[in-house]
Amino acid sequence: DGGITQSPKYLFRKEGQNVTLSCEQNLNHDAMYWYRQDPGQGLRLIYYSQIVNDFQKGDIAEGYSVSREKKESFPLTVTSAQKNPTAFYLCASSIGSVEETQYFGPGTRLLVL
Amino acid sequence: GQSLEQPSEVTAVEGAIVQINCTYQTSGFYGLSWYQQHDGGAPTFLSYNALDGLEETGRFSSFLSRSDSYGYLLLQELQMKDSASYFCAVRWTGGFKTIFGAGTRLFVKA
Repeated sequence: DGGITQSPKYLFRKEGQNVTLSCEQNLNHDAMYWYRQDPGQGLRLIYYSQIVNDFQKGDIAEGYSVSREKKESFPLTVTSAQKNPTAFYLCASSIGSVEETQYFGPGTRLLVL
Repeated sequence: GQSLEQPSEVTAVEGAIVQINCTYQTSGFYGLSWYQQHDGGAPTFLSYNALDGLEETGRFSSFLSRSDSYGYLLLQELQMKDSASYFCAVRWTGGFKTIFGAGTRLFVKA
């Protein structure tokens, strides 16, 4: 089955700690995205990547970092500089064309201890 | 700038028809998409309008009018399982990113 997987489902972060959220896709999509969703809110773009070894900041990139060393993988690191990291994090991918449909992973819920 | 406006909540009864509107302010975009998200779940794609007019997919239809900066999602024969949040989204021509509205929470009552 093709799809997007995210792990872990729940993640707990201590103060001052960096944590990394995993996102893997086997859809052979070029583009991948990270979104943050706060309760009752829409999706806000953190980072996106159009191709391997290239990525751009979205609207709320401060306190986050990403890498795109492989086409299938787009991990997101929440650094200690992100002072309010508690949220639902969604990874998505698309073929990369302008008429794109985004396919979302199941999400990771990050909580601060 | 770019922004999309949706009503925060809509309530309808089972079997009815409901329309969720989306108005936007953007300098240019490729098309208008709609996504459904159940509580605690991931958004799933419903419909896409690249051109003005109506697109129909089963019980769901979506409409776009670029001249009016307006679109809507129409849900017919509502079922309890349609209770969810619905997001409109545009792919901005000025970059590669997609902009999402804040979402409309639909409550379907028996």
